[in-house]
Amino acid sequence: AQSVAQPEDQVNVAEGNPLTVKCTYSVSGNPYLFWYVQYPNRGLQFLLKYITGDNLVKGSYGFEAEFNKSQTSFHLKKPSALVSDSALYFCAVRASFSGSARQLTFGSGTQLTVLP
Amino acid sequence: GAGVSQSPSNKVTEKGKDVELRCDPISGHTALYWYRQSLGQGLEFLIYFQGNSAPDKSGLPSDRFSAERTGGSVSTLTIQRTQQEDSAVYLCASSPPTGAHLEKYFGPGTRLLVL
Repeated sequence: AQSVAQPEDQVNVAEGNPLTVKCTYSVSGNPYLFWYVQYPNRGLQFLLKYITGDNLVKGSYGFEAEFNKSQTSFHLKKPSALVSDSALYFCAVRASFSGSARQLTFGSGTQLTVLP
Repeated sequence: GAGVSQSPSNKVTEKGKDVELRCDPISGHTALYWYRQSLGQGLEFLIYFQGNSAPDKSGLPSDRFSAERTGGSVSTLTIQRTQQEDSAVYLCASSPPTGAHLEKYFGPGTRLLVL
């Protein structure tokens, strides 16, 4: 079975400081990895994905994530946080060989708060 | 262009009543998904539609839950005899007809509260 762990329910960071939201995964074979963001009273928005190729993936709003196969991690990062980045962030994984929709497994989410 | 829309945005109902939640996917998207997001939890897959194929209902938590998709577009999720544990945000997503549905576009969700 595949799974995603987001070990931090809450991350607080000062505006202008770098931020990291952690994600580790477990899946059979090669993973497809995703980050989604959910703003208050809004649906999830796609941020970025890792399918293959460079381990460092760049996405929307200046976010990036680094795929680390040996550590089975896909941490989300941003060099300089903005107050407007405050939101709920979800990491998701699926096995690359799977065609089933159910095989996309989401983490429990991390609430990021950027303090002015 | 227009994204995925869902209605109603909020629904309050009494225990035992039936509710219907609607999803309008992005035009041209052949795949449609329903997820449930409970407080403090991740997204729980409910059901998946792909074109004219039989839906994948493997995520539905009980036989009180059902969904249909008419004409390959609009979908309705129905919960019969609602229970308090059904209270959650119900999210709909759609995907374009490419490859293995790598990217999902989510609607704003319907917040369901069962009293």
